Amino acid sequence: AIQMTQSPSSLSASVGDRVTITCRASQGVRNDLGWYQQKQGKAPKLLIYAASSLQSGVPSRFSGSGSGTDFTLTISSLQPEDFATYYCLQDYSYPLTFGGGTKVEIK
Amino acid sequence: QLQLQESGPGLVKPSETLSLTCTVSGGSISSSSYYWGWIRQPPGRGLEWIGNIFYNGNTFYNPSLKSRVTIIVDTSKSQFSLKLNSVTAADTAVYYCARRIAVAPKYAFEIWGQGTVVTVSS
Repeated sequence: AIQMTQSPSSLSASVGDRVTITCRASQGVRNDLGWYQQKQGKAPKLLIYAASSLQSGVPSRFSGSGSGTDFTLTISSLQPEDFATYYCLQDYSYPLTFGGGTKVEIK
Repeated sequence: QLQLQESGPGLVKPSETLSLTCTVSGGSISSSSYYWGWIRQPPGRGLEWIGNIFYNGNTFYNPSLKSRVTIIVDTSKSQFSLKLNSVTAADTAVYYCARRIAVAPKYAFEIWGQGTVVTVSS
């Protein structure tokens, strides 16, 4: 199975900060990678698919980049509603595998 | 607006079978563009993919659970179901059903149910 390693596992940031989360795959996944946001007690929500495509309705401050094994989720200007846990998911091959998550907390 | 709703017992005894159903409303379950999946999240932990099913019954399972998992689809009822047998406390989790789009280049779980808590305890 492809292992997805996310970093950092948590971070503290202030409103307005630029935040970057990375995800590394143990083998290449082309660009078949998505990013999900999960708020406490809620289901995950798709933010980015195909590594860099913004899901409909998601604010443009979210962006994704990367291909192969290294991927990045960037929030250009953190907003209060962005405090949540973020997960990457490789959708390249079965079994589908999630990263361990990055919890974004208020500084 | 397509919606997914999980249903099933919230408490299962150890060694018994966990059974959950996901009901799809507001759209068709019989589309070649989508797979239907189950994902779980143990308390305080990350997400784990359990398996996917296509409307024709083709399934894909996580090898870590494959010997205990069965996913079936009932297109007449717009439902798909999860069975996990021989459960232990480690199977205690929030279980989500989700629709996975599989139309290149978009492969992603784009619609999720709200999740249902299943506790394994005697």
